[in-house]
Amino acid sequence: ETGVTQTPRHLVMGMTNKKSLKCEQHLGHNAMYWYKQSAKKPLELMFVYSLEERVENNSVPSRFSPECPNSSHLFLHLHTLQPEDSALYLCASSQEDRGRNTIYFGEGSWLTVV
Amino acid sequence: AQTVTQSQPEMSVQEAETVTLSCTYDTSESDYYLFWYKQPPSRQMILVIRQEAYKQQNATENRFSVNFQKAAKSFSLKISDSQLGDAAMYFCAYRPAYSGGGADGLTFGKGTHLIIQP
Repeated sequence: ETGVTQTPRHLVMGMTNKKSLKCEQHLGHNAMYWYKQSAKKPLELMFVYSLEERVENNSVPSRFSPECPNSSHLFLHLHTLQPEDSALYLCASSQEDRGRNTIYFGEGSWLTVV
Repeated sequence: AQTVTQSQPEMSVQEAETVTLSCTYDTSESDYYLFWYKQPPSRQMILVIRQEAYKQQNATENRFSVNFQKAAKSFSLKISDSQLGDAAMYFCAYRPAYSGGGADGLTFGKGTHLIIQP
């Protein structure tokens, strides 16, 4: 059983829809991440939250909007997406202390934009 | 910027044999972490093994071990006594050591698809 839970596992949405991906970590970590995994590219880091503050945004289009209300929850709000945004979205968490910062992943949310 | 290169898109090994997956990386940092993750068909990214750059001793986890060559910036994964359950995509990943300024994510290679022949 994973310590990082993502819902929904599968999502199909139209280009004009608004939807959200949810991530919850049960590991007591203080940092959370969103990664995108598409067929023809290496895993891409999208957003990093440390102590509930966003510390990195890798030039992600504004149609992706993250939210981290507390250290255990992370959302990715989606609106007016494009078909090329179809991918596996992986949430992850870590405890940011010296020597303890291995990143642990959830099972991913498959997103299909039609 | 850091880069991670996995030059073997696919590898095949007979069950019970040993296989080595290659990884090289480029960084100007002296302190960092290296990881191997396994991604089976379920697509969950599972940590296989981790290496701290400041440690000279190669990490081992049961049948999995690494050959870490810091000067050559090489980090290969050896899987001994391969099992059918080892079939998966294997990703090499790099992470700078914690700098106190926030959390840095992982930089991944493109992955190696490992096939286990029964």
